[in-house]
Amino acid sequence: AQSVTQLGSHVSVSEGALVLLRCNYSSSVPPYLFWYVQYPNQGLQLLLKYTSAATLVKGINGFEAEFKKSETSFHLTKPSAHMSDAAEYFCAVSGAAGNKLTFGGGTRVLVKP
Amino acid sequence: DTEVTQTPKHLVMGMTNKKSLKCEQHMGHRAMYWYKQKAKKPPELMFVYSYEKLSINESVPSRFSPECPNSSLLNLHLHALQPEDSALYLCASSQERGSGGSGNTIYFGEGSWLTVV
Repeated sequence: AQSVTQLGSHVSVSEGALVLLRCNYSSSVPPYLFWYVQYPNQGLQLLLKYTSAATLVKGINGFEAEFKKSETSFHLTKPSAHMSDAAEYFCAVSGAAGNKLTFGGGTRVLVKP
Repeated sequence: DTEVTQTPKHLVMGMTNKKSLKCEQHMGHRAMYWYKQKAKKPPELMFVYSYEKLSINESVPSRFSPECPNSSLLNLHLHALQPEDSALYLCASSQERGSGGSGNTIYFGEGSWLTVV
């Protein structure tokens, strides 16, 4: 069984400040980990994914995430927040089979001018 | 731009109506999915089709009936729904397990907003 926990359902950052979204996973097999973003009234867009090739994963829109096996974490960061980053962010995990994606509860990001 | 296309974007239906949600992808993916998302919640898996065969049904009520006519199309037939079924319904697709290397990415459509009155 696998699960994902996202710490903080809401995060508020100032424009230009660091964005840090926390994700911890639980998986009985080597996990595949994903971050998706959902803008208001839209579907989910893939930001990045971890597939064991490299522990630091770079994604779109300046986001990156680091896989830390010892901490079972896959936190998402962006050095400088932009107003357009305001959205809901979901961390997700799938097992080796890959077909069943388990989502965390989501973190809503608010960017203040 | 998403390569998973869903229609209609918005649907309002009565509890006695029969309607369908449609999904199409042209990425050559052989796995297709239906997810349900309530407001302020993560998506919940409903069904998975693999090579046009239903492989996962997450104990979804029979008033939701999926259909996969071919490898590019996925439908969700709706009948006798309840107001609590109002939600965003997301279609998604991916390469089938074991292909495409590690961790097949699931690509989502924009969703169909369903309101049951």
